[in-house]
Amino acid sequence: GENVEQHPSTLSVQEGDSAVIKCTYSDSASNYFPWYKQELGKGPQLIIDIRSNVGEKKDQRIAVTLNKTAKHFSLHITETQPEDSAVYFCAASILSNTGNQFYFGTGTSLTVIP
Amino acid sequence: DAEITQSPRHKITETGRQVTLACHQTWNHNNMFWYRQDLGHGLRLIHYSYGVQDTNKGEVSDGYSVSRSNTEDLPLTLESAASSQTSVYFCASSEYRGAWETQYFGPGTRLLVL
Repeated sequence: GENVEQHPSTLSVQEGDSAVIKCTYSDSASNYFPWYKQELGKGPQLIIDIRSNVGEKKDQRIAVTLNKTAKHFSLHITETQPEDSAVYFCAASILSNTGNQFYFGTGTSLTVIP
Repeated sequence: DAEITQSPRHKITETGRQVTLACHQTWNHNNMFWYRQDLGHGLRLIHYSYGVQDTNKGEVSDGYSVSRSNTEDLPLTLESAASSQTSVYFCASSEYRGAWETQYFGPGTRLLVL
């Protein structure tokens, strides 16, 4: 099955700096890569996603890049703010005969220091 | 607003007891999923359903069961709770079974098995 690795597990940045979280996946059949933000005591919330036919996607301060050849994708947050502090999860999705299966990374705890 | 809810939000039970966690969504989504979240493992799929009367096993299904009698609900049952099932449980739903279909998560149930 698919194996998704996520790094780093913790990340601290100063407010206003950029944060980068990286994920790798093992199965070249993976074709959809969402990123989720999880705040304390809440469920994961989708913040951005990218399809396998796209190399980069941007939404205001958040961007995601995908390198299918190297099987890795990254989340970039620019001009970080204290409210960006949360746990971020990447996922890789494979469409099979039985449906769309998600495989998650182990999460990155981001702390933005005011 | 349409949403996905879970109950209870917190549960303490004893080893050997049967426990049922509820998941209810008002989006009229066809697909529903149960995950458990443990430190160092991210989110792991327990069971999923692509429609009424359809259920499938996920990566970590042993000791759990689900049933889907209507579109809105997918209860998760722990047949005989074990300490290894202490975890945070998340329900998710998605509308279609397409390649790029996003999953939306509930707020989670924190379960402690003593």
